[in-house]
Amino acid sequence: EAGVTQFPSHSVIEKGQTVTLRCDPISGHDNLYWYRRVMGKEIKFLLHFVKESKQDESGMPNNRFLAERTGGTYSTLKVQPAELEDSGVYFCASSQMSGRYDEKLFFGSGTQLSVL
Amino acid sequence: SQQGEEDPQALSIQEGENATMNCSYKTSINNLQWYRQNSGRGLVHLILIRSNEREKHSGRLRVTLDTSKKSSSLLITASRAADTASYFCATDGSNYQLIWGAGTKLIIKP
Repeated sequence: EAGVTQFPSHSVIEKGQTVTLRCDPISGHDNLYWYRRVMGKEIKFLLHFVKESKQDESGMPNNRFLAERTGGTYSTLKVQPAELEDSGVYFCASSQMSGRYDEKLFFGSGTQLSVL
Repeated sequence: SQQGEEDPQALSIQEGENATMNCSYKTSINNLQWYRQNSGRGLVHLILIRSNEREKHSGRLRVTLDTSKKSSSLLITASRAADTASYFCATDGSNYQLIWGAGTKLIIKP
């Protein structure tokens, strides 16, 4: 069974440019999460999709970040325009069950974003 | 705001020794999870302990939970080089999102 895949694994862009990250969850997983880890700090929640609907986007830092999950399959996270403080590792995770506090998340390898 | 805080931030031990990492959190929880991240890889779920459990084992892993102190510990026994990784605790937040600590970087020296 394929795991959660993320693309690209690394992205280096200049301030002001646009970057789009992609996440393919495990097939059949309705829940898709985006998390971010800024260098050396804690991992922070960005948003949660249930199928194609945004269940919770309370962690999105500002309106420069746009996440989509058309058709309830893969998801994209676009940063436009990118700023220096957006640098970090962006993780995507998926899970099968929703509405459970004990759900186990399956993570992708992350996208290392560097904004110069 | 940060819920889980791991300590130490970094830990270096000899192969074969035991490694203990701690996690503290601030608000009441339903469960606490530990994840591992090897360099350049994704986070891998290790173990989940529920708020009504005090101790749980999985292979060489032993997790304890003290809800009165709002703390948990992860013990890895007989460490191996492959255990070199960053370890994170995560607690359940509102709307089922996970709240994470900054992690403990564990280095196992051969």
